Amino acid sequence: DTAVSQTPKYLVTQMGNDKSIKCEQNLGHDTMYWYKQDSKKFLKIMFSYNNKELIINETVPNRFSPKSPDKAHLNLHINSLELGDSAVYFCASSQSGLGDYEQYFGPGTRLTVT
Amino acid sequence: AQTVTQSQPEMSVQEAETVTLSCTYDTSENNYYLFWYKQPPSRQMILVIRQEAYKQQNATENRFSVNFQKAAKSFSLKISDSQLGDTAMYFCAFIPLGGAQKLVFGQGTRLTINP
Repeated sequence: DTAVSQTPKYLVTQMGNDKSIKCEQNLGHDTMYWYKQDSKKFLKIMFSYNNKELIINETVPNRFSPKSPDKAHLNLHINSLELGDSAVYFCASSQSGLGDYEQYFGPGTRLTVT
Repeated sequence: AQTVTQSQPEMSVQEAETVTLSCTYDTSENNYYLFWYKQPPSRQMILVIRQEAYKQQNATENRFSVNFQKAAKSFSLKISDSQLGDTAMYFCAFIPLGGAQKLVFGQGTRLTINP
């Protein structure tokens, strides 16, 4: 019954490694997002995809690369991890055209870079 | 650029009291939505309430209500009869309906309900 799921929920890795976070939604939504929540709890959008097409790409280092194999999945790959990448990453989804603009969030992935 | 400001980093009230969280925003857009999200210690982001900018009537969801003042660009959240389970971070958020529909969050208010 999970609407938006992310794996893994916790990720601890060393600087310089490459890692991926996966996101899946079973709500039938056509738009998916990645947000980053920093240590001060500030949430900021990173990317948005609509029907597998990138529509929002904020000022994010190009070490971060989103990939959407289909409209139910949006994965985030991070190359050459840095200490400053430590944060909670949230995936979210929404359906365009419904008129309520609500975004449904996943449980978050806490990434710790050591 | 759109910005959302929550001027109260932390608040604390006793159970059963009423508490109001403040939020102001800055935009040149005329059509937009405003939201309050709750983030309990579990980390899950939960939608509390939404308000369409074109509606003058303030939204209400059970114990939660908003005071939406469009001219003042203010969107406060009132929690009545507060419960221990209301303890959480609360985020005010804004989304314009034109252009890239990015959800912009405020800095959050940490609310603690004391027994």
